[in-house]
Amino acid sequence: QTALSQPASVSGSPGQSITISCIGTSSDVGGYNYVSWYQQHPGKAPTLMIYDVSNRPSGVSNRFSGSKSGNTASLTISGLQAEDEGVYYCSSYTSRTSGLFGGGTKLTVL
Amino acid sequence: EVQLVESGGGLVQPGGSLRLSCAASGFTLSDYNMNWVRQAPGKGLEWVSYISGSGSTIYNADSVKGRFTISRDNAKRSLYLQMNSLRAGDTAVYHCARGLYYKESGWYFDFWGRGTLVTVSS
Repeated sequence: QTALSQPASVSGSPGQSITISCIGTSSDVGGYNYVSWYQQHPGKAPTLMIYDVSNRPSGVSNRFSGSKSGNTASLTISGLQAEDEGVYYCSSYTSRTSGLFGGGTKLTVL
Repeated sequence: EVQLVESGGGLVQPGGSLRLSCAASGFTLSDYNMNWVRQAPGKGLEWVSYISGSGSTIYNADSVKGRFTISRDNAKRSLYLQMNSLRAGDTAVYHCARGLYYKESGWYFDFWGRGTLVTVSS
């Protein structure tokens, strides 16, 4: 099954906002409100940042927000901080009773 | 504090087998669905297998169907992944990841272990 499509990299300056897109199909992103986003720092395990499209787990900054329109989900980070650097992955449930990840987006804070 | 600690990785020849374990603590394992997610060196995440809290429902990625078997022993607070007929493409860090509380609907992984490295090479 083909991975969800994410840009390879995005960048922004401290204080700015950036948005990472995650493009799927009607069989995954578009068909379910089960999109989640993960942050991963080098050598570390991923951390859940957003679940069910737009919900934040306890402890995650409200600078992180998620949304979805059709087959495209988005993660927005406002007020960029140096600690936000890392790789971000989207994930979705699929109609094939399976999970699917995006290829990952490397965020650089300039 | 929720903790997931994987073990059992190592170097194995193509066609060989390996059994991974994940020790869970800080929560009642039987209340949660569990997953294995892998990450090839320098690559992205790939979901591998899912097992419900009771163990009655299992899903596998197409790439491992017929070769990998997920299981759990809630009394021992452990999750397992039996990997057979291993290929070079299975080389990755294998993470144990907690899924949803069994009464909830959805799909996400809220806690992850640091992973154990499996290398398939001759």
